[in-house]
This record gives sequence, C-alpha cells and structure tokens, in this order.
Amino acid sequence: AQTVTQSQPEMSVQEAETVTLSCTYDTSESDYYLFWYKQPPSRQMILVIRQEAYKQQNATENRFSVNFQKAAKSFSLKISDSQLGDAAMYFCAPQRSYGKLTFGQGTILTVHP
Amino acid sequence: EAEVAQSPRYKITEKSQAVAFWCDPISGHATLYWYRQILGQGPELLVQFQDESVVDDSQLPKDRFSAERLKGVDSTLKIQPAELGDSAMYLCASSFPDRGIYTQYFGPGTRLTVL
Repeated sequence: AQTVTQSQPEMSVQEAETVTLSCTYDTSESDYYLFWYKQPPSRQMILVIRQEAYKQQNATENRFSVNFQKAAKSFSLKISDSQLGDAAMYFCAPQRSYGKLTFGQGTILTVHP
Repeated sequence: EAEVAQSPRYKITEKSQAVAFWCDPISGHATLYWYRQILGQGPELLVQFQDESVVDDSQLPKDRFSAERLKGVDSTLKIQPAELGDSAMYLCASSFPDRGIYTQYFGPGTRLTVL
C-alpha cells in the first residue's frame, strides 16, 4: 500500500517569486513513478510533472522542477517565476506501473499579484 | 489535442434514485480509471479497467456501484440507489504506456449532488 503526506494545507506566493510544495510518501514498491497534478477552480486535473523513481536526475518542465530524494521518500515541487495561473490545488501522487494514483490531501496555492 | 470526455458535467438527484456517468477515454488508451473525489480531498480509485477487464475494484462499493467497459473503449459508472454520502466529483482518467510510463489524463469530471 502507498500513503502520501502533503504537510502544507495552504501556501501563498507573490507573483514572479518561487515557492516549494512538499510531499512525502511511503511505498513498499521498488519500481514506481511520481506525479504532481494541479486542479484549478474549474476542477480539471492537469499533469504538471512526472518522475521515474529509478532515475536520480530530477525532472524539470519549464518553470516547474522537483527535488526527488528517494531514500527519504520525499518529492517536492518547486515553481519558479510564479504566475497568477498557477493558483490551484496541487496533488502529489505515486503510482505503481499502470496501477492507480494514490493522492495526498493536496496543497492550495494562492498567487498574489 | 485529444481529451477524455465525460458526461454529464453536473447531476442532481434524490437519494434512492439511480444515476449513471459516461466516460470516453483518449483514443487508443487501453487503461481506464474511475476516481471519486470528495470536496477538499484527493481523488480515490473506484475501479480500473485494462481493455474490457476489471483490474482493480477493491474500493468499489459493489452493493450499489457498478462499472462496465463492454467493448474496451467507453465506460459507464452506475450508482443504484444513490445515497447522500455519494455527493462528490467523479473523475475518469485514461492512460497509455509512453516510454514505459502510464501517465493518467483526466476528464472534466461529473459533479454529483444527492438530495
């Protein structure tokens, strides 16, 4: 079984600044993947970034990057140059192969102009 | 860009009534998932299909919920009878192996309100 902890229920950031959202997880799997999804107020779940657990190199996707610490089972998301459109609920989710995503409780991100 | 389609987007029903939700995955995606998301929480898997076969329905309340994907393409999730606690967002997702990674793509969801 997999469990996910997102310890920051809410975070806020000024436009153009950088913010980091934390996530820790627990899994007995040796082969798995990690995802961050965002869910804006419209509520459609959108993929932000993904990481293969067997890769040591941290994934990056434009302004989004992760800090993956496999031994610590930590998978934080860094958003650089924050934009108003980044405001959303962010979910961290590990996944075993083609199995289900196990979502955390989410972090609400507010971006101030 | 291909998207997962869901209908209806909103559904209001009275308890003890039957409701059905429909999902059309991205073309070619063999794996289909139904999740339930209670307001303020993360989604939880109800059922997963690989083609027309159920892979995981361990969290599906089988006394009132049923799901099918008869031809391995679109899928229907049914609740009968609906209860007040079923009020939630029902999300459908599909995936396909992209360089070995089964990234899930979500539809817009169906928001169910049970009165």
